[in-house]
Amino acid sequence: DAKTTQPNSMESNEEEPVHLPCNHSTISGTDYIHWYRQLPSQGPEYVIHGLTSNVNNRMASLAIAEDRKSSTLILHRATLRDAAVYYCILRDVRGVGTGGFKTIFGAGTRLFVKA
Amino acid sequence: DAGVIQSPRHEVTEMGQEVTLRCKPISGHDYLFWYRQTMMRGLELLIYFNNNVPIDDSGMPEDRFSAKMPNASFSTLKIQPSEPRDSAVYFCATLGDSGNTIYFGEGSWLTVV
Repeated sequence: DAKTTQPNSMESNEEEPVHLPCNHSTISGTDYIHWYRQLPSQGPEYVIHGLTSNVNNRMASLAIAEDRKSSTLILHRATLRDAAVYYCILRDVRGVGTGGFKTIFGAGTRLFVKA
Repeated sequence: DAGVIQSPRHEVTEMGQEVTLRCKPISGHDYLFWYRQTMMRGLELLIYFNNNVPIDDSGMPEDRFSAKMPNASFSTLKIQPSEPRDSAVYFCATLGDSGNTIYFGEGSWLTVV
C-alpha cells in the first residue's frame, strides 16, 4: 500500500489560513488522495479528495503537486472547531480485486488552533 | 439517513468475557469496515466486507477476534475471550458504490478490566 507522511502536529491561530502538508512519493497513477479529520471523541469524517487537479469544497481546498508526490490541505480560516487530527490517505479505486477499497490510516497531523 | 449506527457506545467488561460489538451500516452501502483505535497504534483496519463477504481480514489481531456480516443491514465484531489489551475504540465504517466517502460510526468504547 502506498504510504503517506505527515507532520505529527501543527499549530495555527484562529481565523488564519492553515496549510497541512502530506508527502506521498510512492503514489500510483490510480491512487486518489483523500483527507479525513477526526474531532475529539468522534469518528473520522470526510473532508475532501482529488486525483490530479486542485479541488475546493465548503470545508477546505486541496492543492495537489504537479508530480502528485505531495499535497496540501488548506483551511482558509481556522476556527476552534477545526482542532482535530487530519489524515491524508491514498485509495486505489480500481476495485475490490486489486484491494482497491482497503483504506489505511496513518498517524495524521494533530492541529491545534489558538484563540 | 441515520448514518452508521454502532452499539454499545460504551462497554466495560471483565477479562475473559465475550464482547460483541454491533454495526448497522448506511442503507445501500456495499462496503463495511471495522477499525480499532488506540493511542499507541492509531487507527487500524481490522477487516472489511463487500456485499456481506469478507474481503480482507489480515488486520484481525488473533483468533480471539471474529467478524460477521449475515446480511446487508448488520455486522458484528466479537472478541472471545477478551483481554485488557483489547481496550480501545472500535469503529464501524461504510462506503457506497461511488467509492469516495467513508462514513464512520461514533465508535464503541471498550474497556476490559
